[in-house]
Amino acid sequence: GAGVSQSPSNKVTEKGKDVELRCDPISGHTALYWYRQRLGQGLEFLIYFQGNSAPDKSGLPSDRFSAERTGESVSTLTIQRTQQEDSAVYLCASSPTSSHRETQYFGPGTRLLVL
Amino acid sequence: AQSVAQPEDQVNVAEGNPLTVKCTYSVSGNPYLFWYVQYPNRGLQFLLKYITGDNLVKGSYGFEAEFNKSQTSFHLKKPSALVSDSALYFCAVRDNNGGGFKTIFGAGTRLFVKA
Repeated sequence: GAGVSQSPSNKVTEKGKDVELRCDPISGHTALYWYRQRLGQGLEFLIYFQGNSAPDKSGLPSDRFSAERTGESVSTLTIQRTQQEDSAVYLCASSPTSSHRETQYFGPGTRLLVL
Repeated sequence: AQSVAQPEDQVNVAEGNPLTVKCTYSVSGNPYLFWYVQYPNRGLQFLLKYITGDNLVKGSYGFEAEFNKSQTSFHLKKPSALVSDSALYFCAVRDNNGGGFKTIFGAGTRLFVKA
């Protein structure tokens, strides 16, 4: 079946512009995660969605970052007034439920470059 | 607080030799431990996980990992390395004691298998 998809695959923007990144989770997966991976570093948790519950936004680095999810489908991560330090690969993952035991299934990522 | 350490940035092994990629963790509750692999230009893929039960966990592509509670370790192993195993490996942890829905990832270990 189809895996997690993300778009765009690459995004180049100028400092100060807003960007919107999209994630389509695996159909039926109720949990969705966003991570940031800076060059040569591990994954940094950003935000988590589970069904209609309030999202866990504790990993968002600043108020320039926000994310939305429509029900149990598509999610968008928005970065306002981008800065050069926002350059990274943004990864989305989904899992069937929010159980701590669940494996996460990752998308290919969006590579963001802020000039 | 949860944390994961991968003490080696890079591991080099010859094809056919056994490999070990190290991981240690710190959690306040019972740990749920995961290994993911990231091949060049591809998303993260799940390898294996420890939830409970047998300390030796077997996963995809012939990999296995041993949970050692006293040493708080979860090292990834394979008896005979293949060139195609060359990739970036991430250890990750969640706990069941107030850790929320975050998964904490290590910084990653790059494995090079030489023919």
